[in-house]
Amino acid sequence: DGGITQSPKYLFRKEGQNVTLSCEQNLNHDAMYWYRQDPGQGLRLIYYSQIVNDFQKGDIAEGYSVSREKKESFPLTVTSAQKNPTAFYLCATAEVRNEKLFFGSGTQLSVL
Amino acid sequence: DAKTTQPTSMDCAEGRAANLPCNHSTISGNEYVYWYRQIHSQGPQYIIHGLKNNETNEMASLIITEDRKSSTLILPHATLRDTAVYYCIVTSTGTASKLTFGTGTRLQVTL
Repeated sequence: DGGITQSPKYLFRKEGQNVTLSCEQNLNHDAMYWYRQDPGQGLRLIYYSQIVNDFQKGDIAEGYSVSREKKESFPLTVTSAQKNPTAFYLCATAEVRNEKLFFGSGTQLSVL
Repeated sequence: DAKTTQPTSMDCAEGRAANLPCNHSTISGNEYVYWYRQIHSQGPQYIIHGLKNNETNEMASLIITEDRKSSTLILPHATLRDTAVYYCIVTSTGTASKLTFGTGTRLQVTL
């Protein structure tokens, strides 16, 4: 982390509910990313954005949505269409054309 | 991007050097080797990266074989706080969107 703030740290979702995970950065990085991590597994890319007002789907975008209205912010919404949302969600930033990622401390999402 | 192979887990005594291997036999000439680590319930942390020469920073050393088909991350004096999952990643695209974090090596540092 260090310049990347994810909130909340723990989040609970009821059936059929949309929830939004926050990611804010003050590193002045153009690129921002959302990953999902299931227990004992690696990271999978959900969405990424390399510039304000533009974003691309990653490998597992179904059931998720994002926006990038400001350089500092890249919120992730987990919609009711995501049938298995329980996971650890990680936000990351990087300078464009750079593979050195900086990660936030993550949000653990669970279903009630 | 080239695929990597890492051992599932390793143990290391505190104070000793931890040597974490990574095989990337299909690496191409313009692909870099990156290492990250993830301490439990935290986000991954960048450690080091290299192309062909050995690299060293305040956290670790990276040794890449001459044929570039494998590499070793060295933590010279492991501490309990180095217990984490270590990811070896090979990429050439110049964008982090193509980084693939597999299951890595779980390093357990013991007293």
